[in-house]
Amino acid sequence: DAGVIQSPRHEVTEMGQEVTLRCKPISGHDYLFWYRQTMMRGLELLIYFNNNVPIDDSGMPEDRFSAKMPNASFSTLKIQPSEPRDSAVYFCASSPGGGKPQHFGDGTRLSIL
Amino acid sequence: SQQGEEDPQALSIQEGENATMNCSYKTSINNLQWYRQNSGRGLVHLILIRSNEREKHSGRLRVTLDTSKKSSSLLITASRAADTASYFCATDYNAGNMLTFGGGTRLMVKP
Repeated sequence: DAGVIQSPRHEVTEMGQEVTLRCKPISGHDYLFWYRQTMMRGLELLIYFNNNVPIDDSGMPEDRFSAKMPNASFSTLKIQPSEPRDSAVYFCASSPGGGKPQHFGDGTRLSIL
Repeated sequence: SQQGEEDPQALSIQEGENATMNCSYKTSINNLQWYRQNSGRGLVHLILIRSNEREKHSGRLRVTLDTSKKSSSLLITASRAADTASYFCATDYNAGNMLTFGGGTRLMVKP
């Protein structure tokens, strides 16, 4: 089992640029979660999907953020335009549901200059 | 906010000592989970305790849950330098699959 795979691991870009983060969940997991982690705010849930359908996006900070899950094996989180305050580590996690634990990827460390 | 809160925020101990971390939460839960995060890595699930359970063990880990006080504790016995990490509690409060994470405890185990 390869685990949850995120890419890129690091991203440095200039303010105003579009940023796309990618995630491949564990095969067979029906739930996919996007989190953001910062020193100030800790780990925040941004959005989660069930069977590729967005269920709760109340954590998405602004309209600049969007997430898609076109199929069961791929999801993207996009920020357009990016701002310095978006700098954080973004994690993707998946779970089989039923209250079972979540499995996290190793995150994308995003720096917006 | 229904976020759990860990206490202490940071803990430094010597190898071989026990480490105890506490978590408090605000609403009724279905289960509470503990996760570990090594520097630069994602969170890894350690143990899950259901609301009708009071204690659970896994290797050197012992978790307790007191629903009347809305609190949980994670005990790591005979700590090792490799236990150095951040530890987070997470609550499942809506019988769904969302988790709310606390701020974490940074544990340092000195060799």
